[in-house]
Amino acid sequence: DSGVTQTPKHLITATGQRVTLRCSPRSGDLSVYWYQQSLDQGLQFLIQYYNGEERAKGNILERFSAQQFPDLHSELNLSSLELGDSALYFCASSGSGGGVIQYFGAGTRLSVL
Amino acid sequence: DQQVKQNSPSLSVQEGRISILNCDYTNSMFDYFLWYKKYPAEGPTFLISISSIKDKNEDGRFTVFLNKSAKHLSLHIVPSQPGDSAVYFCAAWWAWGSSNTGKLIFGQGTTLQVKP
Repeated sequence: DSGVTQTPKHLITATGQRVTLRCSPRSGDLSVYWYQQSLDQGLQFLIQYYNGEERAKGNILERFSAQQFPDLHSELNLSSLELGDSALYFCASSGSGGGVIQYFGAGTRLSVL
Repeated sequence: DQQVKQNSPSLSVQEGRISILNCDYTNSMFDYFLWYKKYPAEGPTFLISISSIKDKNEDGRFTVFLNKSAKHLSLHIVPSQPGDSAVYFCAAWWAWGSSNTGKLIFGQGTTLQVKP
């Protein structure tokens, strides 16, 4: 158990809809990272938050947004969903000493029908 | 542009033998390299890392070798066990700005099967 909790585990929705994925980092970790893994692909970095502040952005679509709350949990919001957004979404956290070693949750599998 | 590449989608070895997983990268600015292991329905689990200033790091049955001139790293598992069967991801850490800003860039993964 990595200590990172993601909910829900599975999400099935329709095109055009909006969903929210939730992540609780390991106790004491200040950084949260979001990654997307599409079929047969490696993990693609989306966005990083550190202690409530956005720190880094990857290839995150404008339809996607994230935030980190004062209790350090994070949410990834996906809107105007398209079929191509179907993927595994992983959250990871790391400690205050730097983000090299990240601990991953089990992921949320999103299916857009 | 794929900055981290794992060119072998799969690898099959016999139990007790050595498993060698390979990874190539293009950006000489990466500070650290990591290997993650992933089982189905689970998130990636950190396995071992190496700083860009080292050429070898060992942890039990796992050894990572870094060849900076060739921009190549490899993970050796000796001896391989059936429980090692999983998808292995190579990743590079790219940091900028403050020490807490950066991202991991992952390869596509190699599926290792260790046969009993």
